[in-house]
Amino acid sequence: DSGVTQTPKHLITATGQRVTLRCSPRSGDLSVYWYQQSLDQGLQFLIQYYNGEERAKGNILERFSAQQFPDLHSELNLSSLELGDSALYFCASSVGGKGGWSPYNEQFFGPGTRLTVL
Amino acid sequence: QKEVEQDPGPLSVPEGAIVSLNCTYSNSAFQYFMWYRQYSRKGPELLMYTYSSGNKEDGRFTAQVDKSSKYISLFIRDSQPSDSATYLCAMKSDVINKFYFGSGTKLNVKP
Repeated sequence: DSGVTQTPKHLITATGQRVTLRCSPRSGDLSVYWYQQSLDQGLQFLIQYYNGEERAKGNILERFSAQQFPDLHSELNLSSLELGDSALYFCASSVGGKGGWSPYNEQFFGPGTRLTVL
Repeated sequence: QKEVEQDPGPLSVPEGAIVSLNCTYSNSAFQYFMWYRQYSRKGPELLMYTYSSGNKEDGRFTAQVDKSSKYISLFIRDSQPSDSATYLCAMKSDVINKFYFGSGTKLNVKP
Protein backbone atom coordinates (compact mmCIF):
# COMPACT_ATOMS: atom_id res chain seq x y z
CA ASP A 1 0.00 0.00 0.00
CA SER A 2 1.59 3.25 -1.20
CA GLY A 3 -0.42 5.50 1.12
CA VAL A 4 -2.05 7.29 -1.82
CA THR A 5 -5.80 6.82 -2.00
CA GLN A 6 -8.03 7.28 -4.99
CA THR A 7 -11.80 7.22 -5.24
CA PRO A 8 -13.82 5.81 -6.80
CA LYS A 9 -12.17 2.56 -7.85
CA HIS A 10 -14.46 2.12 -10.81
CA LEU A 11 -16.65 4.55 -12.69
CA ILE A 12 -19.02 3.76 -15.53
CA THR A 13 -20.67 6.63 -17.31
CA ALA A 14 -22.04 7.69 -20.67
CA THR A 15 -20.60 9.85 -23.42
CA GLY A 16 -21.09 13.55 -22.87
CA GLN A 17 -21.13 13.23 -19.09
CA ARG A 18 -18.82 14.79 -16.52
CA VAL A 19 -17.01 12.97 -13.71
CA THR A 20 -14.70 13.87 -10.86
CA LEU A 21 -11.87 11.67 -9.67
CA ARG A 22 -10.40 12.24 -6.25
CA CYS A 23 -6.91 11.66 -4.88
CA SER A 24 -5.50 11.95 -1.37
CA PRO A 25 -1.69 12.06 -1.31
CA ARG A 26 0.55 10.42 1.26
CA SER A 27 0.85 12.29 4.51
CA GLY A 28 3.53 14.97 4.11
CA ASP A 29 3.60 14.91 0.31
CA LEU A 30 3.08 18.27 -1.35
CA SER A 31 3.01 17.22 -5.00
CA VAL A 32 0.20 15.43 -6.78
CA TYR A 33 0.48 14.08 -10.32
CA TRP A 34 -2.26 12.75 -12.57
CA TYR A 35 -1.68 10.14 -15.24
CA GLN A 36 -3.85 8.41 -17.81
CA GLN A 37 -3.06 4.82 -18.73
CA SER A 38 -4.64 3.21 -21.77
CA LEU A 39 -3.67 0.08 -23.66
CA ASP A 40 -2.51 1.88 -26.78
CA GLN A 41 -0.93 4.98 -25.21
CA GLY A 42 0.74 3.67 -22.10
CA LEU A 43 1.14 5.94 -19.08
CA GLN A 44 0.60 9.55 -20.08
CA PHE A 45 1.38 12.43 -17.76
CA LEU A 46 -1.52 14.85 -17.48
CA ILE A 47 -0.74 17.47 -14.85
CA GLN A 48 1.14 18.15 -11.62
CA TYR A 49 0.28 20.33 -8.65
CA TYR A 50 2.66 21.37 -5.91
CA ASN A 51 1.22 22.78 -2.71
CA GLY A 52 -1.88 24.05 -4.47
CA GLU A 53 -0.19 25.51 -7.53
CA GLU A 54 0.00 24.01 -11.00
CA ARG A 55 3.63 22.98 -11.53
CA ALA A 56 3.71 21.12 -14.84
CA LYS A 57 1.33 20.27 -17.62
CA GLY A 58 1.44 17.31 -19.95
CA ASN A 59 -0.96 15.95 -22.53
CA ILE A 60 -4.09 17.12 -20.77
CA LEU A 61 -7.11 17.82 -22.93
CA GLU A 62 -9.01 21.09 -22.58
CA ARG A 63 -12.05 19.07 -21.49
CA PHE A 64 -10.05 17.96 -18.45
CA SER A 65 -9.13 20.10 -15.48
CA ALA A 66 -7.64 19.55 -12.07
CA GLN A 67 -7.03 21.34 -8.83
CA GLN A 68 -5.31 20.79 -5.53
CA PHE A 69 -7.06 21.95 -2.40
CA PRO A 70 -5.59 23.50 0.77
CA ASP A 71 -5.67 20.10 2.48
CA LEU A 72 -3.57 18.86 -0.48
CA HIS A 73 -6.09 16.43 -1.87
CA SER A 74 -6.64 16.77 -5.59
CA GLU A 75 -9.51 16.31 -8.00
CA LEU A 76 -9.42 15.60 -11.71
CA ASN A 77 -12.51 16.71 -13.59
CA LEU A 78 -13.30 15.10 -16.93
CA SER A 79 -16.11 16.61 -18.97
CA SER A 80 -17.87 15.97 -22.30
CA LEU A 81 -16.63 12.44 -22.01
CA GLU A 82 -15.86 10.43 -25.13
CA LEU A 83 -15.41 6.71 -25.64
CA GLY A 84 -11.67 7.27 -26.00
CA ASP A 85 -11.45 8.64 -22.47
CA SER A 86 -11.98 5.15 -21.10
CA ALA A 87 -8.76 4.36 -19.25
CA LEU A 88 -7.12 3.91 -15.89
CA TYR A 89 -6.42 7.21 -14.17
CA PHE A 90 -3.61 7.21 -11.66
CA CYS A 91 -2.70 9.75 -9.10
CA ALA A 92 0.81 9.86 -7.65
CA SER A 93 2.32 11.98 -4.91
CA SER A 94 5.79 13.01 -3.83
CA VAL A 95 7.34 15.13 -1.14
CA GLY A 96 9.04 17.50 -3.56
CA GLY A 97 8.12 18.36 -7.09
CA LYS A 98 10.67 20.12 -9.20
CA GLY A 99 14.09 19.86 -10.73
CA GLY A 100 15.79 16.58 -11.31
CA TRP A 101 14.97 13.29 -9.74
CA SER A 102 15.89 12.27 -6.24
CA PRO A 103 14.30 10.19 -3.53
CA TYR A 104 12.72 13.50 -2.48
CA ASN A 105 10.83 13.48 -5.76
CA GLU A 106 10.01 9.78 -5.87
CA GLN A 107 6.44 9.31 -6.95
CA PHE A 108 4.15 6.94 -5.10
CA PHE A 109 1.18 5.81 -7.14
CA GLY A 110 -2.34 5.20 -5.97
CA PRO A 111 -4.38 2.15 -7.03
CA GLY A 112 -6.07 4.04 -9.85
CA THR A 113 -9.62 4.75 -10.96
CA ARG A 114 -10.91 2.71 -13.88
CA LEU A 115 -13.16 4.87 -16.03
CA THR A 116 -15.44 3.27 -18.58
CA VAL A 117 -17.33 5.53 -20.96
CA LEU A 118 -20.20 3.80 -22.77
CA GLN B 1 7.99 9.83 -32.75
CA LYS B 2 7.37 9.14 -29.09
CA GLU B 3 9.89 10.45 -26.58
CA VAL B 4 10.29 6.97 -25.08
CA GLU B 5 9.82 3.70 -26.93
CA GLN B 6 9.34 0.36 -25.24
CA ASP B 7 8.41 -3.00 -26.70
CA PRO B 8 5.03 -3.95 -25.22
CA GLY B 9 5.74 -7.68 -25.29
CA PRO B 10 4.38 -9.87 -23.87
CA LEU B 11 7.60 -11.57 -22.92
CA SER B 12 7.27 -15.11 -21.62
CA VAL B 13 10.23 -16.85 -19.99
CA PRO B 14 10.75 -19.94 -17.81
CA GLU B 15 11.55 -19.53 -14.15
CA GLY B 16 15.26 -18.97 -13.57
CA ALA B 17 15.86 -17.26 -16.91
CA ILE B 18 17.68 -13.96 -17.33
CA VAL B 19 15.31 -11.30 -18.57
CA SER B 20 16.32 -8.24 -20.53
CA LEU B 21 13.91 -5.30 -20.81
CA ASN B 22 14.78 -2.27 -22.89
CA CYS B 23 13.78 1.27 -23.74
CA THR B 24 15.03 3.75 -26.28
CA TYR B 25 14.57 7.48 -26.10
CA SER B 26 15.05 10.50 -28.31
CA ASN B 27 15.70 13.40 -25.94
CA SER B 28 19.37 13.71 -25.02
CA ALA B 29 18.42 15.99 -22.10
CA PHE B 30 17.18 13.04 -20.07
CA GLN B 31 19.50 12.43 -17.13
CA TYR B 32 17.42 10.38 -14.72
CA PHE B 33 16.24 6.92 -15.65
CA MET B 34 13.81 4.84 -13.68
CA TRP B 35 12.20 1.44 -13.87
CA TYR B 36 8.75 0.83 -12.43
CA ARG B 37 6.98 -2.48 -11.87
CA GLN B 38 3.22 -2.64 -12.18
CA TYR B 39 1.28 -5.67 -11.05
CA SER B 40 -2.14 -6.29 -12.52
CA ARG B 41 -4.79 -3.92 -11.13
CA LYS B 42 -2.19 -1.95 -9.17
CA GLY B 43 -0.35 1.32 -9.59
CA PRO B 44 3.29 1.37 -10.71
CA GLU B 45 5.95 1.15 -8.01
CA LEU B 46 9.55 2.30 -8.33
CA LEU B 47 12.00 -0.54 -8.78
CA MET B 48 15.28 1.20 -9.56
CA TYR B 49 16.65 4.52 -10.66
CA THR B 50 19.96 5.59 -12.18
CA TYR B 51 21.53 8.92 -12.94
CA SER B 52 23.29 9.50 -16.26
CA SER B 53 25.23 6.58 -17.74
CA GLY B 54 26.43 3.39 -16.14
CA ASN B 55 25.16 0.38 -14.27
CA LYS B 56 23.36 -0.04 -11.01
CA GLU B 57 22.71 -3.33 -9.27
CA ASP B 58 20.13 -4.18 -6.63
CA GLY B 59 19.81 -7.82 -5.77
CA ARG B 60 18.64 -9.71 -8.85
CA PHE B 61 18.05 -6.48 -10.78
CA THR B 62 20.59 -4.52 -12.82
CA ALA B 63 19.83 -1.26 -14.60
CA GLN B 64 22.05 -0.07 -17.42
CA VAL B 65 22.09 3.26 -19.18
CA ASP B 66 23.92 3.97 -22.43
CA LYS B 67 23.41 7.66 -23.12
CA SER B 68 25.45 7.58 -26.31
CA SER B 69 22.95 5.13 -27.81
CA LYS B 70 19.95 6.57 -25.93
CA TYR B 71 19.22 3.08 -24.69
CA ILE B 72 18.43 1.74 -21.24
CA SER B 73 18.03 -1.79 -20.01
CA LEU B 74 16.79 -3.67 -16.99
CA PHE B 75 18.14 -7.16 -16.39
CA ILE B 76 16.46 -9.60 -14.06
CA ARG B 77 18.55 -12.59 -13.01
CA ASP B 78 17.05 -15.85 -11.76
CA SER B 79 13.56 -14.66 -12.68
CA GLN B 80 10.71 -15.78 -10.46
CA PRO B 81 6.97 -16.16 -11.12
CA SER B 82 6.51 -13.25 -8.69
CA ASP B 83 8.38 -11.06 -11.20
CA SER B 84 5.44 -11.43 -13.59
CA ALA B 85 4.24 -7.88 -14.09
CA THR B 86 4.42 -4.97 -16.50
CA TYR B 87 7.72 -3.08 -16.39
CA LEU B 88 7.73 0.59 -17.35
CA CYS B 89 10.76 2.74 -17.95
CA ALA B 90 10.60 6.43 -17.12
CA MET B 91 12.88 9.37 -17.72
CA LYS B 92 13.34 12.91 -16.56
CA SER B 93 15.66 15.85 -16.95
CA ASP B 94 16.50 18.79 -14.73
CA VAL B 95 15.02 21.26 -17.18
CA ILE B 96 11.76 19.55 -18.10
CA ASN B 97 9.53 19.19 -15.09
CA LYS B 98 7.69 16.07 -16.15
CA PHE B 99 8.27 12.36 -16.31
CA TYR B 100 8.18 10.51 -19.59
CA PHE B 101 7.08 6.89 -19.40
CA GLY B 102 7.43 4.03 -21.82
CA SER B 103 4.29 2.09 -22.64
CA GLY B 104 5.46 -0.90 -20.56
CA THR B 105 6.58 -4.46 -21.29
CA LYS B 106 4.44 -7.25 -19.94
CA LEU B 107 6.56 -10.06 -18.48
CA ASN B 108 5.31 -13.53 -17.66
CA VAL B 109 7.63 -15.88 -15.79
CA LYS B 110 6.39 -19.44 -16.02
CA PRO B 111 7.02 -21.85 -13.12
